[in-house]
Amino acid sequence: QVQLVQSGAEVKKPGASVKVSCKASGYTFISYGISWVRQAPGQGLEWMGWISVFNDNTNYAQKLQGRVTMTTDTSTSTAYMELRSLRSDDTAVYFCARTTVNDLRGDFDYWGQGTLVTVSS
Amino acid sequence: QTVVTQEPSFSVSPGGTVTLTCGLSSGSVSTTYYPSWYQLTPGQAPRTLIYSTNTRSSGVPDRFSGSILGNKAALTITGAQADDESDYYCVLYMGSGNWVFGGGTKLTVL
Repeated sequence: QVQLVQSGAEVKKPGASVKVSCKASGYTFISYGISWVRQAPGQGLEWMGWISVFNDNTNYAQKLQGRVTMTTDTSTSTAYMELRSLRSDDTAVYFCARTTVNDLRGDFDYWGQGTLVTVSS
Repeated sequence: QTVVTQEPSFSVSPGGTVTLTCGLSSGSVSTTYYPSWYQLTPGQAPRTLIYSTNTRSSGVPDRFSGSILGNKAALTITGAQADDESDYYCVLYMGSGNWVFGGGTKLTVL
């Protein structure tokens, strides 16, 4: 069965960086993209960006441009999201999601369990 | 800046029917945005309910249905149950690897 397993919770100081991993199993990794979505405390879901595992094309939300990088390692079927220059309002649960983009769909069908990133001095 | 709009909250009686909507701050939602719907319960990962406007994800009961109503995407829950009490989010695909979430609707079943 399809599974996305994320790395554990992180506590970071303002200005630091965090790198969250998302290990995929149960499907052909390069056949789908991976999106990253976050939810800050008391807030809604926010799309952060997407990476095509097939060709490493990326697209990031405008507000995160310059601070976020998404990568994949096809040898281990793992996706990574690195966020730099962390601020207190980056405190959130971060989710990875398998993403299908083709002529018939553009959506997220399987999700990781979430990773809590806390930014605090 | 594209804004996807949802009702902040909605209430439905057990066994009742409720329709949540997903609109655009300017323009109409059509099937070309591949609207999808997600259920989010505290402490859990989002659950995919509907994709491509009206296709139920695997394992989702048929009391959840998606459609286009007028100029909005819609999620209808028929025969609401207590465990449907959750936050519901729609997402629109804007093309070129770009998605926008709506603000979410908090559904109360009482």
